[in-house]
Amino acid sequence: KAGVTQTPRYLIKTRGQQVTLSCSPISGHRSVSWYQQTPGQGLQFLFEYFSETQRNKGNFPGRFSGRQFSNSRSEMNVSTLELGDSALYLCASSLTSSEQYFGPGTRLTVT
Amino acid sequence: KNEVEQSPQNLTAQEGEFITINCSYSVGISALHWLQQHPGGGIVSLFMLSSGKKKHGRLIATINIQEKHSSLHITASHPRDSAVYICAVSRTPLVFGKGTRLSVIA
Repeated sequence: KAGVTQTPRYLIKTRGQQVTLSCSPISGHRSVSWYQQTPGQGLQFLFEYFSETQRNKGNFPGRFSGRQFSNSRSEMNVSTLELGDSALYLCASSLTSSEQYFGPGTRLTVT
Repeated sequence: KNEVEQSPQNLTAQEGEFITINCSYSVGISALHWLQQHPGGGIVSLFMLSSGKKKHGRLIATINIQEKHSSLHITASHPRDSAVYICAVSRTPLVFGKGTRLSVIA
């Protein structure tokens, strides 16, 4: 069974731009969660989607948004990028909210 | 105070040594996870446990629910075990510790 895939793997953007990251979960998994990892803050929860509905949201500004499609694939969008948004963005899929399977991440650099 | 505390933050060991990484948490949880992250970023889930002990190869994870404490042990450590080990608790959503950076020297 294929694992969680994320695209793109690396991305460089300029301040003020927006970015869309994509996550394809393991086949059959309906829950997708997004996390941001920075050297200073570690791993922080962004949001979780289940069956196209946002089920939980972390403490991030409204510039961070996401959605999930009927095939469970999920996208997250960051608008008006700031230097501090440079991070590794990880998504994880699960059958339930318990055991999660992580993707390889997208490394975003904002210059 | 963070809800999930790991110790030590950094650990250097000689190949073959027995290694212990500790995780303490201050809130009620449904499960605790141990994750491994190699340089380059990919995260692998090692264990998910809600009681007792689990073993996989040279890795052993234990949890004491009453004491709100978990340990990850690595027996006969090897340089390929060098990674960051992260403890996370299921609180819907996951809450993560800051990680323990392990370096195993040959």
